[in-house]
Formats: sequence, structure tokens, C-alpha cells
Amino acid sequence: GAGVSQSPRYKVAKRGQDVALRCDPISGHVSLFWYQQALGQGPEFLTYFQNEAQLDKSGLPSDRFFAERPEGSVSTLKIQRTQQEDSAVYLCASSPLGQGFTDTQYFGPGTRLTVL
Amino acid sequence: KQEVTQIPAALSVPEGENLVLNCSFTDSAIYNLQWFRQDPGKGLTSLLLIQSSQREQTSGRLNASLDKSSGRSTLYIAASQPGDSATYLCALKWDSGYALNFGKGTSLLVTP
Repeated sequence: GAGVSQSPRYKVAKRGQDVALRCDPISGHVSLFWYQQALGQGPEFLTYFQNEAQLDKSGLPSDRFFAERPEGSVSTLKIQRTQQEDSAVYLCASSPLGQGFTDTQYFGPGTRLTVL
Repeated sequence: KQEVTQIPAALSVPEGENLVLNCSFTDSAIYNLQWFRQDPGKGLTSLLLIQSSQREQTSGRLNASLDKSSGRSTLYIAASQPGDSATYLCALKWDSGYALNFGKGTSLLVTP
């Protein structure tokens, strides 16, 4: 069956440009997470959706970062006025159930963003 | 601040050896702990999930243990193979919050 997919897989942006990163979770999965992974580091949490509700956005580094999941399936992470420190791999993960349940997260391959 | 630390950062072993990867954490109020594998250019694959009430989980040649009182988890890999070469990440979900909190990982190289 299809796993979590992300597009584009690679994105090069000039400093100051806006970018949009897409995540297609596994069909029917309630929970969706975004993580940021800098080179040589573990992933760091950005934001969490349960269906269309954004329940936690405490990990978003600044107000230049915005995420949405309007219909409770596909999610988009948008970064405005990109800066060099935004260069990282952005990982999306989904899980079947909502909070309060114990299940694993299924990760996509990530989008590697390079800001020049 | 809740922190997750993985030691060693990198490890190289000859094929066939048994090995142990270590993960330590600062807060024992965990919900569960997972070990992931990450291959270059790919996403994370969950290997083992241990609930806070459990002491260990096994899958094939992999065994993960959890000791909340000492704030430690280990991933034991038996009879290592070159295909085991990857980065292994420990991730905790604490009782508070939604996120997985990751260590920086251990980069494993198994040489033929």
C-alpha cells in the first residue's frame, strides 16, 4: 500500500523566496506531524494536526512558518521569506489514531530544502 | 528541558558482531519510546515501540529495553550484517505534548 509521500523531494530557493512543501499522509490517518531535521541532527517537532485541527504549533521557529491541513488529509508547510538557516530536511509523518492512543508514526521520505 | 542523548555518535563493527546502541533521557515521565532506522535520503522506519509499562520488545535480531528509573534504553543488534548500516534514532514521547523527541542518532557501519 502507499506510504506517506512528500513533494517536492528537493527544493532550492533563493533567500527571501516563499516555498510550499506538500505532504500526502496514508489514507485515513488521523494524525499528521511535521518535523525539521538539520544536517547531523535528529528531527525536531514543528507542528501537529488531528484531522484538520492544528493542535500544537509550538515547534514552528518563527511566524514565517505556517502549516495547514484544510480537509484533514493533505497538508502543506509554507515558509515565507526563506533564510539560510531554514535549510534542512522537512519530514512529514502520519499515524492512524488521534492523541491518547499509542501507535507508531509513519514517516515520508522528506523534502530537502536548500536556501542559497 | 527534556533531552534525549545517544551514545556513541558513530560506530563501526565487522560483520557478525553483536552490538548495543544507547539512549538516555532526562525525564522518566514517558508515554512510549521508539527506535527508528534512517537510511540516507530516506525517511524513518520504525523498528521497535516500547510502552512505558513495558521493559523490552523484540523483533528478529533486534531487542530494545527500557529502564525508566535510570532514564535509559538500549537497542541490541545480534549478528550484525552490512545491510544494518544506517543511522539509528531513539525517540521519546513524553506524557505531556504531542511530539516525538529525538536524539541525534548513532551512525552504524557494518563492514563485510
